[in-house]
Amino acid sequence: GQQVMQIPQYQHVQEGEDFTTYCNSSTTLSNIQWYKQRPGGHPVFLIQLVKSGEVKKQKRLTFQFGEAKKNSSLHITATQTTDVGTYFCAVPNTGNQFYFGTGTSLTVIP
Amino acid sequence: DAGVIQSPRHEVTEMGQEVTLRCKLISGHNSLFWYRQTMMRGLELLIYFNNNVPIDDSGMPEDRFSAKMPNASFSTLKIQPSEPRDSAVYFCASSFGEATQYFGPGTRLTVL
Repeated sequence: GQQVMQIPQYQHVQEGEDFTTYCNSSTTLSNIQWYKQRPGGHPVFLIQLVKSGEVKKQKRLTFQFGEAKKNSSLHITATQTTDVGTYFCAVPNTGNQFYFGTGTSLTVIP
Repeated sequence: DAGVIQSPRHEVTEMGQEVTLRCKLISGHNSLFWYRQTMMRGLELLIYFNNNVPIDDSGMPEDRFSAKMPNASFSTLKIQPSEPRDSAVYFCASSFGEATQYFGPGTRLTVL
């Protein structure tokens, strides 16, 4: 089955600092999705990347899909306390399934 | 649209009891996923249905777990008998095909 590594597992940053999480696959991906889960909440879809080298932005969040479509990153500029949560990448598996990475838990220190 | 609905939101039960978790899909969605989330194992896919048919149940831990989808909009996940190691947050999610998965709020299960 599909395997994907997500790093780092945990990240603590001061409010205003930048944050990046990475997702790496050993196989070429058709697409990749990113989700955010707030503490005590449920995963919420953020974005899907499909094209090689694609870059998408949502306000302070920048998502990249690698040229080889084997890795992806999520970068947050100038973190705020509202960014706290766990960020998951999800990659296609067989059928309509998506395999979720282990997640990166972000703590923002005010 | 109310989104994916799960019940109960919290369940505390004693070891050996039967537990039934319920999920209502978003109208029009045809895929249903059950996940289990723990600190140790992260977010694990237990089973998924497409058009009411179970497609992949390889993630179901053992025979104590069973899932059904009696109609296009509703699913149940049953644990019988429950054990303390089943304590976790159980999410269901629905989607239309390979599109975005919409997660329900989850059921926090505690087995004493």
